Amino acid sequence: GQSLEQPSEVTAVEGAIVQINCTYQTSGFYGLSWYQQHDGGAPTFLSYNALDGLEETGRFSSFLSRSDSYGYLLLQELQMKDSASYFCALSRSYQKVTFGTGTKLQVIP
Amino acid sequence: DVKVTQSSRYLVKRTGEKVFLECVQDMDHENMFWYRQDPGLGLRLIYFSYDVKMKEKGDIPEGYSVSREKKERFSLILESASTNQTSMYLCASTTPLAYLPFFGEGSRLTVL
Repeated sequence: GQSLEQPSEVTAVEGAIVQINCTYQTSGFYGLSWYQQHDGGAPTFLSYNALDGLEETGRFSSFLSRSDSYGYLLLQELQMKDSASYFCALSRSYQKVTFGTGTKLQVIP
Repeated sequence: DVKVTQSSRYLVKRTGEKVFLECVQDMDHENMFWYRQDPGLGLRLIYFSYDVKMKEKGDIPEGYSVSREKKERFSLILESASTNQTSMYLCASTTPLAYLPFFGEGSRLTVL
């Protein structure tokens, strides 16, 4: 089956920049989206790429390269509250949304 | 903004009890989904629905059923809860065309 691979854990310093990668092995999808999930909470939508390139939303940016089969989420000016899990998702059709394995981000002082 | 609302945030039930989880979305989305999320296993699809009264099994439908009587409402039913159904249950609906999922707040179910 299709899968999206992400690093399981990332640690970064408050105020720094961190990049979370998502690699996939599929084609013919509508777009790649990113979600944030705090412990015990529900996933909240962060960003979406339908086309190749960079999408910027405040401190968060997301990038997609279909030719290289990967995307990433970039978090700038990290804050302690950014400590959470982040996962990517590929939308291929109405019933085929594939989710990444999730990356647990720890922001340290 | 898309709003997906789940009826219960936290539930504690006993083995064998019937459990009813309800999800309502206010964006007139055709597609709705129920997932369960467990540590180390990520999101797993239980059932989805692409129209009123239409449903399809996902990857782990055993022990669950669903109901979609109205477009905005999608319910997950555990006819006889078991301890291995202790989990976080997430409802989602997807936008048309891009099929971008939006999630409800989640329902954390504990079966004793």
